[in-house]
Amino acid sequence: DVKVTQSSRYLVKRTGEKVFLECVQDMDHENMFWYRQDPGLGLRLIYFSYDVKMKEKGDIPEGYSVSREKKERFSLILESASTNQTSMYLCASSLQAYGYTFGSGTRLTVV
Amino acid sequence: AQSVTQLGSHVSVSEGALVLLRCNYSSSVPPYLFWYVQYPNQGLQLLLKYTTGATLVKGINGFEAEFKKSETSFHLTKPSAHMSDAAEYFCAVSDGYNKLIFGAGTRLAVHP
Repeated sequence: DVKVTQSSRYLVKRTGEKVFLECVQDMDHENMFWYRQDPGLGLRLIYFSYDVKMKEKGDIPEGYSVSREKKERFSLILESASTNQTSMYLCASSLQAYGYTFGSGTRLTVV
Repeated sequence: AQSVTQLGSHVSVSEGALVLLRCNYSSSVPPYLFWYVQYPNQGLQLLLKYTTGATLVKGINGFEAEFKKSETSFHLTKPSAHMSDAAEYFCAVSDGYNKLIFGAGTRLAVHP
């Protein structure tokens, strides 16, 4: 089975800090995605990448950036964390359009 | 453009009762359709998917869904609910390339 691993399950950061969320997949998938999930708002796409060093903005990219230097790793960066970025962050990978495999999520709290 | 509508943000059933979670989609291309389940504080897990072929799709944990093109629906069912089925369920449609478009989710509660 494909495994998608997110480095932290729970994270607490201070306002203004630069935050890195890491995601690694082990099945050579081309596509990787970062979502945030908030109550009542479902999953919202932040960024995605369909190849190494390629990235595309999703629906809510403001305040975030990403890095994909290797195929298996896709990092989400909060340049200057704010309290409104407190959320559950979900990473996923996929092979073409055949569905995603998700990581377990990182619950980030910004204080 | 593709979109997904899940009817009912909360559904409550008794243990042993039929589970029916509704999903309607809009797609400009032949759709690939998915149902995911999310347990508390976890990521999403694939329950089942429809790509081509048989329109009745069986998934894990006794769930199944039927693709009805004429109704643009992909409803999720399970004949008999278990307490362990309590979770949030998401329907999704492929955008025809690489992305999935998700519905807002339906939270299923199962009571004794």
